[in-house]
Amino acid sequence: IAGITQAPTSQILAAGRRMTLRCTQDMRHNAMYWYRQDLGLGLRLIHYSNTAGTTGKGEVPDGYSVSRANTDDFPLTLASAVPSQTSVYFCASRETGSTGELFFGEGSRLTVL
Amino acid sequence: TQLLEQSPQFLSIQEGENLTVYCNSSSVFSSLQWYRQEPGEGPVLLVTVVTGGEVKKLKRLTFQFGDARKDSSLHITAAQPGDTGLYLCAGVPPRVNYGGATNKLIFGTGTLLAVQP
Repeated sequence: IAGITQAPTSQILAAGRRMTLRCTQDMRHNAMYWYRQDLGLGLRLIHYSNTAGTTGKGEVPDGYSVSRANTDDFPLTLASAVPSQTSVYFCASRETGSTGELFFGEGSRLTVL
Repeated sequence: TQLLEQSPQFLSIQEGENLTVYCNSSSVFSSLQWYRQEPGEGPVLLVTVVTGGEVKKLKRLTFQFGDARKDSSLHITAAQPGDTGLYLCAGVPPRVNYGGATNKLIFGTGTLLAVQP
């Protein structure tokens, strides 16, 4: 089934550790996004990429980095995790320039102790 | 910063009741989307409204975009347990505000709906 695959599904991490959340899509969408979801705050954009080789900062980029080496993959890295980064992380994609549907992965639940 | 406020934040109702969820902002959006998210899954698009005053129906769900394109509502008639989930509105900012980069949706705070059998 076409769509977005995120890994891991869930992870518990000690503060200070480095962590990479993986995201792969097979829809050949140019634009990809990383959101974090926290109760009462909705979905907040961390980083985005309009096309392979380009990235941009969203609303809450501090403490996170991304790369976009190719169309399909968009990993999110926490260089040194802190407890405030405990959240559910969603990767999403859609066609560049489109104001249409965002396709989301199933999320990665991260707990930083 | 453009904000989208949703109300109510939580709603628990009995099967068969009607309800309305509101999505409000002080800013204008070029279009607005509604998503539903079920536990353990990502949000899934329900509808996109584009024109001020537009009304769209999806079975028992009715979506309306405000005339000034600053607000939207979702009305569910005769709610069913299958309607349970988190409802999120998301606005597309006007192109002029972002120098052309209008690909960044602004999400609302969400409404968690529980429909009891």
